Amino acid sequence: SQTIHQWPATLVQPVGSPLSLECTVEGTSNPNLYWYRQAAGRGLQLLFYSVGIGQISSEVPQNLSASRPQDRQFILSSKKLLLSDSGFYLCAWSPTINYGYTFGSGTRLTVV
Amino acid sequence: GDSVTQMEGPVTLSEEAFLTINCTYTATGYPSLFWYVQYPGEGLQLLLKATKADDKGSNKGFEATYRKETTSFHLEKGSVQVSDSAVYFCALSKDYGGSQGNLIFGKGTKLSVKP
Repeated sequence: SQTIHQWPATLVQPVGSPLSLECTVEGTSNPNLYWYRQAAGRGLQLLFYSVGIGQISSEVPQNLSASRPQDRQFILSSKKLLLSDSGFYLCAWSPTINYGYTFGSGTRLTVV
Repeated sequence: GDSVTQMEGPVTLSEEAFLTINCTYTATGYPSLFWYVQYPGEGLQLLLKATKADDKGSNKGFEATYRKETTSFHLEKGSVQVSDSAVYFCALSKDYGGSQGNLIFGKGTKLSVKP
């Protein structure tokens, strides 16, 4: 069966520090991968999605970047965090469009 | 553009009460529709889905029917339990011009069920 792993679960980082959040999927090949952010009172916002290795689409211009160095690995990064980067970050995968996503358990990031 | 609108919460119900969470969408073409649930401190889980008009998705006592004529996908449950307390998200998915599609979420509706 397929599983998705996301870590860390919680993270407190100072403003200006770098960020690296990792997401891996097991039990499937060539998944579509997604990073979402859930900010308080603002619902879910799609940040990046990827349909293959090295293929990243950005939905919202921002302080963050994403990379997909391996088929089942999706990384969210920042060189210098801002206070506004605080939120709950969710990784998800889907085998194809219109199928629905499977989400990871999320990372709660607090920038102080 | 495409969008999903959910009723604003929070919704507070007593155990065994009937639940309806309204969801309407705006989209061209024929999107697929989903309900996701997020329990406190966790990620989202797919609750149910419908991929074409008049389909009914159901799971764990929850139901939603894809109504194209009213562009709606309301979530219902006949008798809620305390364990149903969570945030519920309505979402749509469609293919964007041949590229891989992605989910568009509503803002979520928080449900609290009191014993």
